[in-house]
Amino acid sequence: EAGVAQSPRYKIIEKRQSVAFWCNPISGHATLYWYQQILGQGPKLLIQFQNNGVVDDSQLPKDRFSAERLKGVDSTLKIQPAKLEDSAVYLCASSWGTSNTEAFFGQGTRLTVV
Amino acid sequence: GENVEQHPSTLSVQEGDSAVIKCTYSDSASNYFPWYKQELGKRPQLIIDIRSNVGEKKDQRIAVTLNKTAKHFSLHITETQPEDSAVYFCAASKGGTASKLTFGTGTRLQVTL
Repeated sequence: EAGVAQSPRYKIIEKRQSVAFWCNPISGHATLYWYQQILGQGPKLLIQFQNNGVVDDSQLPKDRFSAERLKGVDSTLKIQPAKLEDSAVYLCASSWGTSNTEAFFGQGTRLTVV
Repeated sequence: GENVEQHPSTLSVQEGDSAVIKCTYSDSASNYFPWYKQELGKRPQLIIDIRSNVGEKKDQRIAVTLNKTAKHFSLHITETQPEDSAVYFCAASKGGTASKLTFGTGTRLQVTL
C-alpha cells in the first residue's frame, strides 16, 4: 500500500514568515497525527484528527499554529508567524482509527527558520 | 501529562552483542508501549509493542519487557547486526493504541563491525 505522503520535504523561511505543510494519509485511515520532532528529541504530538474532527490539540501552540482536515482525508499544518524555535521536522502519521495500535509515519518536512 | 524518559542517549555495541535500551514513564494509567526505529533521514517505523497486561513480548531478535510496578520498560536486541544501527524511540499512551503517544528522547544505537 502507498505510504503517508508529505510535502514539501524541505523548507527554509525567515522568522515571522508563514509556512504550510501538506499531508496525505494512507487511504482509508481515519486518524491523522501531526508531530513536531526537534533535532535530538523524540516526536511531540501537536494535533490528532479523527476524520475531520480534532481529538487532541493540547500541545499545539494555537497562537501561531493551525491545522485542518476539511474532508477527513488530506491535512495541512500552518505556522504564522514562524519563530526560530520552530525549526524541526514535522511528521505526519496516520492509523486506521483511534483503536488501532500502529501509526504509519510520513518522511516528514524539515523546516529551518533563519 | 505523561513524561517518558529514555536511557542511554547513545549506545555502541559490537556486532553480535546484545543491546538494551530502557524507558521509564510517569503516568500509571499508561497501558500501551511501542518502540519505533528511525534510520537516518527516514521515517519512524514501529518494530515492537507491548500492552500493560503482558510482561514480555518477543519477535525474533527483538524483545520488550514491562514492569508496571516500577513503571519501566526495556527493549532488548540480541545478536546485533550493522543494519540495527538507528535511533530507537520508546513511547507510551493511555488508550491502548497509537492515540496520543508520548515519546522518549531517543537512543542512537551504533553497531560496529
